Amino acid sequence: DVKVTQSSRYLVKRTGEKVFLECVQDMDHENMFWYRQDPGLGLRLIYFSYDVKMKEKGDIPEGYSVSREKKERFSLILESASTNQTSMYLCASTLGGGHLNQPQHFGDGTRLSIL
Amino acid sequence: AQSVTQPDIHITVSEGASLELRCNYSYGATPYLFWYVQSPGQGLQLLLKYFSGDTLVQGIKGFEAEFKRSQSSFNLRKPSVHWSDAAEYFCAVGGVRYNQGGKLIFGQGTELSVKP
Repeated sequence: DVKVTQSSRYLVKRTGEKVFLECVQDMDHENMFWYRQDPGLGLRLIYFSYDVKMKEKGDIPEGYSVSREKKERFSLILESASTNQTSMYLCASTLGGGHLNQPQHFGDGTRLSIL
Repeated sequence: AQSVTQPDIHITVSEGASLELRCNYSYGATPYLFWYVQSPGQGLQLLLKYFSGDTLVQGIKGFEAEFKRSQSSFNLRKPSVHWSDAAEYFCAVGGVRYNQGGKLIFGQGTELSVKP
């Protein structure tokens, strides 16, 4: 089974801090994704990466950046955390190579609170 | 633009009753369709998927879904709900080429509560 592991289940940070959320997958997937999930809004794509060092903005990239130095690891960075970034963050991975019919595999999520 | 609509934000059913969760999509071609379930505090787990062929697909945990092209729908069903089915359910459409890879578009989710 595909395993997507997010480093923290719960995280509490302060406004203005630089925050790192880490995600690791063990299936050699090319594509990795970061979403945020808010009540009534479903999942919204922040960034995704289709290869090492490659990244693309999703629907709501403002206030975030990402890093993918190794194929299995995809990091989400909040450069200067703000209270409106309090949310549930979900990482996902899937095969690349134009496989549009592949489901995404999700981690358990990180619930981030910015005080 | 592609979109997914789940008209019901919250549904409550009695344990043992049947369940149908609605999903409508907007997509120009034959879509790839998915249903995911999210238990409290967890990530999303794939329940089932439709790509082509038989329009009635079976998934895990006793769920099934039917693709109806004429109605642009992909409703999720279960004949008898168990208390452990209480969760949030997301419908998603794939097949959307997004730069180098595929993108999923998610509905807003339907929260299911189960009465004893």
